[in-house]
Amino acid sequence: DAGVTQSPTHLIKTRGQQVTLRCSPKSGHDTVSWYQQALGQGPQFIFQYYEEEERQRGNFPDRFSGHQFPNYSSELNVNALLLGDSALYLCASSNYRRSSYEQYFGPGTRLTVT
Amino acid sequence: GQNIDQPTEMTATEGAIVQINCTYQTSGFNGLFWYQQHAGEAPTFLSYNVLDGLEEKGRFSSFLSRSKGYSYLLLKELQMKDSASYLCAVRDDGNAGNMLTFGGGTRLMVKP
Repeated sequence: DAGVTQSPTHLIKTRGQQVTLRCSPKSGHDTVSWYQQALGQGPQFIFQYYEEEERQRGNFPDRFSGHQFPNYSSELNVNALLLGDSALYLCASSNYRRSSYEQYFGPGTRLTVT
Repeated sequence: GQNIDQPTEMTATEGAIVQINCTYQTSGFNGLFWYQQHAGEAPTFLSYNVLDGLEEKGRFSSFLSRSKGYSYLLLKELQMKDSASYLCAVRDDGNAGNMLTFGGGTRLMVKP
């Protein structure tokens, strides 16, 4: 049973560029949440997708957008990258329909903006 | 607003017991989570409390007092591999998909 997978593992981008990060949820899960974790800090909620729609959003600008596909996988897009976007981006999946409380995290994508 | 506080760093000795505290002030509450995160890795689930009291799971226990907005994670018989960051997180609603609000994490260093 595959857990949450994310790609790529590491990414280096230049200021102003755009980036797309990908996440496949744990088998049987239908909800994907994205978090940003700066070095030495706790994760911060970006947004959550269920049934291919954004259900909740944290305090992040519109430069951050996402998508969920029919197979429940998800993408996080960040436009006009800033140096401050450098962080570990974590994807977490859960099962909305079963009202399961536990969120399983993927290994993350380390984004460096230069 | 949401506010979750936990100590930044703690140090303990191998074989000892350590308690990591977490206080929270959130607009809603439907459960408190503790996660362990080793450097460069994903957070892994340790415990979940939604009712007051102590939940024990092997060497790890977690306590919750909703009236005080307080939780702690207790680690017994510390091992070197327990050196990691410990994250306290609150779920603000009863929806299984709801967002988690995390504290800044407590970096625990276990020394021989």
